[in-house]
Amino acid sequence: GDSVTQMEGPVTLSEEAFLTINCTYTATGYPSLFWYVQYPGEGLQLLLKATKADDKGSNKGFEATYRKETTSFHLEKGSVQVSDSAVYFCALRGDSNYQLIWGAGTKLIIKP
Amino acid sequence: DADVTQTPRNRITKTGKRIMLECSQTKGHDRMYWYRQDPGLGLRLIYYSFDVKDINKGEISDGYSVSRQAQAKFSLSLESAIPNQTALYFCATSDLTSGGHEQFFGPGTRLTVL
Repeated sequence: GDSVTQMEGPVTLSEEAFLTINCTYTATGYPSLFWYVQYPGEGLQLLLKATKADDKGSNKGFEATYRKETTSFHLEKGSVQVSDSAVYFCALRGDSNYQLIWGAGTKLIIKP
Repeated sequence: DADVTQTPRNRITKTGKRIMLECSQTKGHDRMYWYRQDPGLGLRLIYYSFDVKDINKGEISDGYSVSRQAQAKFSLSLESAIPNQTALYFCATSDLTSGGHEQFFGPGTRLTVL
């Protein structure tokens, strides 16, 4: 079945560092891919998405490119801030169902 | 005002007790979901509902039941709570017209079963 694998955390960086959180997936067909973010004490919210190969999703300085050849959707940000500290979830929605398949989440800690 | 609300936000209960978690939404969405979140396991789907008359089991429905009382309300029940049901529970909604691409989450209910 479909699955999502993302890098284990926590990831600890200093403010203004470059961020990459890896996400790879297994799915048949052409899934849609998502990054959600969970700030402390809150529910998840959509950060960005890509619905077809080579699409780049972007929001709040974060970017991720749908790479079908490597089945990846890595999250990047050029210069992180303390306010980016959160848990980040990669997810996919397959062709044939309406459910989201979730990665385990990666906790990001940004130190001033 | 929050679009997806959950009550209670925190609950501590004892093994064997019946617990109901409630979710309400003002987004007008037809689809609603219940997830549980455990450290290192991400989110796992418990039940989902595409409309009032449509209820479906998710990945981990054993020990849980749901009720879709109205389009805006979706309740999760633990008939006889056990300690391994201690987790953070989230309700979410999505819209049929957007293909369900984006889900909107409530703030969560932290449940502890002693």
